[in-house]
Amino acid sequence: SYELTQPPSVSVSPGQTASITCSGDKLGSKYVCWYQQKPGQSPVVVIYQDRKRPSGIPERFSGSNSGNTATLTISGTQTMDEADYYCQAWDSSTAVFGTGTKVTVL
Amino acid sequence: EVQLVESGGGLVQPGGSLRLSCEASGFTVTSIYMSWVRQAPGKGLEWVSSISNGGNTYYTDSVKGRFTISRDNSKNTLYLQMNSLRVDDTAVYYCARGSGYCVSTSCYPLDYWGQGTLLTVSS
Repeated sequence: SYELTQPPSVSVSPGQTASITCSGDKLGSKYVCWYQQKPGQSPVVVIYQDRKRPSGIPERFSGSNSGNTATLTISGTQTMDEADYYCQAWDSSTAVFGTGTKVTVL
Repeated sequence: EVQLVESGGGLVQPGGSLRLSCEASGFTVTSIYMSWVRQAPGKGLEWVSSISNGGNTYYTDSVKGRFTISRDNSKNTLYLQMNSLRVDDTAVYYCARGSGYCVSTSCYPLDYWGQGTLLTVSS
């Protein structure tokens, strides 16, 4: 079965840039969505179709996807961005979530 | 305003059955992909099942043959019938609009989520 691997944790200082990777076989040939989940809350989509932002998502969130790796970048990270982030893609008629990355802003 | 409200969770013994419901408002459940996603306590998100606007159904391997996704247009409600439940099915189950499936010309991200309903499978 298809697997998407993310680093368990990423730490970033306020105002700096956080990069979260998502790795999978030939991931660049698929489209990736990214979701943010804060404790006790339902997930929220922050990036879809590799690099598009839904309305209401700040411009500091951006995405890319090439080769075997998709990347979610948070520029000028704010304390409110502290959360778990999950990538998601489809392969062979099934959806897969990444293993998840906890972003800590300190 | 789009809203999704799940119900039907609870405590079930291993081998038992349960049906989850997700009542939608602000859109029609048959007009777009709909999905179920679960999250075991302290764990990550796991996709469970999706149904396309055309009625095609998709399942993760671990629930194939045990779970059935369906919808009722008259009640504007999505369902997940769960049979032969196992301890490792214990999780918060979220209903979500979309599927995360994208092609070059269109994309259906999981753009609205319910609050989740907890299923506990235990003896």
